[in-house]
Amino acid sequence: QVQLKESGPGLVQPSQTLSLTCTVSGFSLTSNSVHWVRQPPGKGLEWVGAIWSGGSTDYNSALKSRLSISRDTSKSQVFLKMNSLQTEDTAIYFCTRMYTLGWYFDFWGPGTMVTVSS
Amino acid sequence: DVVLTQTPPTSSATIGQSVSISCRSSQSLLDSDGNTYLYWYLQRPSQSPQLLIYLVSKLGSGVPNRFSGSGSGTDFTLKISGVEAEDLGVYYCVQGTHDPWTFGGGTKLELK
Repeated sequence: QVQLKESGPGLVQPSQTLSLTCTVSGFSLTSNSVHWVRQPPGKGLEWVGAIWSGGSTDYNSALKSRLSISRDTSKSQVFLKMNSLQTEDTAIYFCTRMYTLGWYFDFWGPGTMVTVSS
Repeated sequence: DVVLTQTPPTSSATIGQSVSISCRSSQSLLDSDGNTYLYWYLQRPSQSPQLLIYLVSKLGSGVPNRFSGSGSGTDFTLKISGVEAEDLGVYYCVQGTHDPWTFGGGTKLELK
């Protein structure tokens, strides 16, 4: 069955780089896009960016200068890298699959909490 | 970016009561391809969001038919006809017509 799971460091120091991995199973990264969505503690959801089935990427314009999304299709993994982290980047980071026919996010990972603090 | 404004921010309901949530967009969500990419998600406490409604009014797989969506252009509504205990959580409208994807601020559904 379709599954996604995020993994990452948990704690990152201000100004450092965040690296997260989304490991997927039950589908191919060359057939479906994977998106990142984040949620600061107690707040709403924010779309971060995406890597499409063909390998192209899209980023939230507010984060674009600091963000990179890539993938390794042989390992079924999607990577998020965000540099110059600030305390406002503290959030739960989710990866989610887009169901192409309906153009919606159908499966989500459980999320990984990232805290930016010294 | 498209701003989605949800009202009310909090709704209190008794079991069996019907509830409506509004989502108003700062721009029309009708795409040039004729589709309106407006969705509704429910996030239960400490869980990931789950799809309820896609393309304004289509019910997601496995979603109970007490949920329904309606609207067009810039005004959309999610209705729950007979709230059940498992419906408690935060509801978000989401748009995918305009880049970037944006979410509404959320409506928290509580038990009265």
